[in-house]
Amino acid sequence: AQSVAQPEDQVNVAEGNPLTVKCTYSVSGNPYLFWYVQYPNRGLQFLLKYITGDNLVKGSYGFEAEFNKSQTSFHLKKPSALVSDSALYFCAVRVINQAGTALIFGKGTTLSVSS
Amino acid sequence: DGGITQSPKYLFRKEGQNVTLSCEQNLNHDAMYWYRQDPGQGLRLIYYSQIVNDFQKGDIAEGYSVSREKKESFPLTVTSAQKNPTAFYLCASTPREGGSTEAFFGQGTRLTVV
Repeated sequence: AQSVAQPEDQVNVAEGNPLTVKCTYSVSGNPYLFWYVQYPNRGLQFLLKYITGDNLVKGSYGFEAEFNKSQTSFHLKKPSALVSDSALYFCAVRVINQAGTALIFGKGTTLSVSS
Repeated sequence: DGGITQSPKYLFRKEGQNVTLSCEQNLNHDAMYWYRQDPGQGLRLIYYSQIVNDFQKGDIAEGYSVSREKKESFPLTVTSAQKNPTAFYLCASTPREGGSTEAFFGQGTRLTVV
């Protein structure tokens, strides 16, 4: 089955330290991968995506993600965390099924950055 | 400004009542989606539509219904058959089926059963 997994429910880091939020996927064919961020009681905001090309993708707010095909991973990273980065982060993958295509999400990882 | 508008922001439903959540977009997107968000379960796909007058069930369609009479609109009805409707509902859209463009999201509707 096509799916995406975020193995950590919560990640805690100190401000100024690097952060990593993990994501692994299972899809048929070449994946289209996305990261989104959600603040309380709000919709999702797009951070970055991998479609093809360079395995290191740079996105909004200083975030980047590394696509690793052999490990089927797409981890989100930031060299120096800010308290304002504290939010809920979702990894997503576009899947193709009999009815067309849809975007499926992981369960989300809560990032908490302490000052 | 272009975007997706969900209304209302908060909605209260009595037991046995049907309610309809509105989703409107002025992005000229072809595809639209409804997701349900529960704590610790991420986003689960309820229904999606790739084109006007056509839609497909997602992973948790039971107890929900949709229509797509206009490109701009994709309302979701939560019927009395949905036994646990309290959740945060998100609507999204993308430019076209199979595209590599990211989805755009509305600000959500929080539905509570009273």
